[in-house]
Amino acid sequence: EAEVAQSPRYKITEKSQAVAFWCDPISGHATLYWYRQILGQGPELLVQFQDESVVDDSQLPKDRFSAERLKGVDSTLKIQPAELGDSAMYLCASSLAPVDTQYFGPGTRLTVL
Amino acid sequence: AQSVTQLGSHVSVSEGALVLLRCNYSSSVPPYLFWYVQYPNQGLQLLLKYTSAATLVKGINGFEAEFKKSETSFHLTKPSAHMSDAAEYFCAGKSVTEKLVFGKGTKLTVNP
Repeated sequence: EAEVAQSPRYKITEKSQAVAFWCDPISGHATLYWYRQILGQGPELLVQFQDESVVDDSQLPKDRFSAERLKGVDSTLKIQPAELGDSAMYLCASSLAPVDTQYFGPGTRLTVL
Repeated sequence: AQSVTQLGSHVSVSEGALVLLRCNYSSSVPPYLFWYVQYPNQGLQLLLKYTSAATLVKGINGFEAEFKKSETSFHLTKPSAHMSDAAEYFCAGKSVTEKLVFGKGTKLTVNP
């Protein structure tokens, strides 16, 4: 069964450092999402891609976060500089199209010290 | 805008007992509704989804949910809880044009 891949699974960094997360969606899925999940809460959308284009980044803190999906396949989410409040689970999901079911990867647990 | 409310952040049941996790949605248009399960330090796994084909939706691991438009509810049930059901459960909803919105989650504990 096809799955969404994410790496790394865990990342510990110090504040002010740069971090990057990688996501490889299910093959053929044109829509890719990055979510942030703070402990004890539901995921919140950070950015949504349709192929290589950003269609929603309204909740992305653009002063420190950036996301790209250059060839419309895999994607990278970057934080620079990391802050203590960025400690969370970062989840990637993909779907065939925006109206279709989203399938999630295992996530990256970020701890900022 | 779509919103989803899960009633009860923690639910505790005995093994073999009925599981009932509550979810209410608000929307002026027919929604797509989902239940996901999350085990510690893992991603979300789809349990089931409602897309207007049938009001009673059966999912994996013996779970099912019933869409009730009159009550704007989409509660998740399982007749007999198993120890392996202990996890956090998220209800989520969206319309055709809006993003997927999650509830705050319900942590299910199953006691032996």
